[in-house]
Amino acid sequence: KNEVEQSPQNLTAQEGEFITINCSYSVGISALHWLQQHPGGGIVSLFMLSSGKKKHGRLIATINIQEKHSSLHITASHPRDSAVYICAVNYGGSQGNLIFGKGTKLSVKP
Amino acid sequence: EPEVTQTPSHQVTQMGQEVILRCVPISNHLYFYWYRQILGQKVEFLVSFYNNEISEKSEIFDDQFSVERPDGSNFTLKIRSTKLEDSAMYFCASRTTQGTEAFFGQGTRLTVV
Repeated sequence: KNEVEQSPQNLTAQEGEFITINCSYSVGISALHWLQQHPGGGIVSLFMLSSGKKKHGRLIATINIQEKHSSLHITASHPRDSAVYICAVNYGGSQGNLIFGKGTKLSVKP
Repeated sequence: EPEVTQTPSHQVTQMGQEVILRCVPISNHLYFYWYRQILGQKVEFLVSFYNNEISEKSEIFDDQFSVERPDGSNFTLKIRSTKLEDSAMYFCASRTTQGTEAFFGQGTRLTVV
C-alpha cells in the first residue's frame, strides 16, 4: 500500500527557531510536493521536487530518493509560518493524482 | 497572479439533495483534479480529468459523483444524492502538464445536514 508518513504531527516553536518537518514514503515516486494549509483551509503549493534540494526564501526542501525521505526546513521561523504543512507524492504510473500525508501542524510563538 | 477559483466557499445542503461544486482552473492548464478533506483527516484524491475525460479516479469516486467541463473554463463536481459523510472540504486543483506543480483552489466547505 502506498503510504506517506510525516513527523512530527504537531510542532511548537519559538519565533526565530530553525524548524524541520520530515516525510517518508513507501515506494518509488515521480515527484514529491510540500504544501501549506492555512487555518482557513486553503492549500498553497510550496515546492515540487524529484531530486536534490530547492530553496525559496526561508524555506528549503530536500529529498533523498534512495532513502525515500524528504525534509522541509524553515529558517528564522515567524508566527506567520503557523500552518499545517503537508507532504504529498505522485507515485510512478499515476496520472498525476497525489497521495497525501496527514500533515504537520506548526505553531510558532512570538 | 493566476489562481484557481472555487465557488461557493461554503455550501449547506439537505441530505439527499444534489450539489454542484464549481471550479475555474488556470486558463492554460490541461489537467484538473478534485480532492476532498474530511474534517480532521488527510486530503484524499477523488478524480483527475484530462482531454475532456476522467483519466483516473479513486474508490471514493463512486456513481454518486460526476465531473464535467461544460464550457471550456469551468470544471464541476456533482454529487447526486448527498450523504452526511460527504461533508468535507472539497479542493479543485489544476496543472499545465503532469510534471509540473499543481495549483489549488481555496476549497468549498460542504456541510450536509
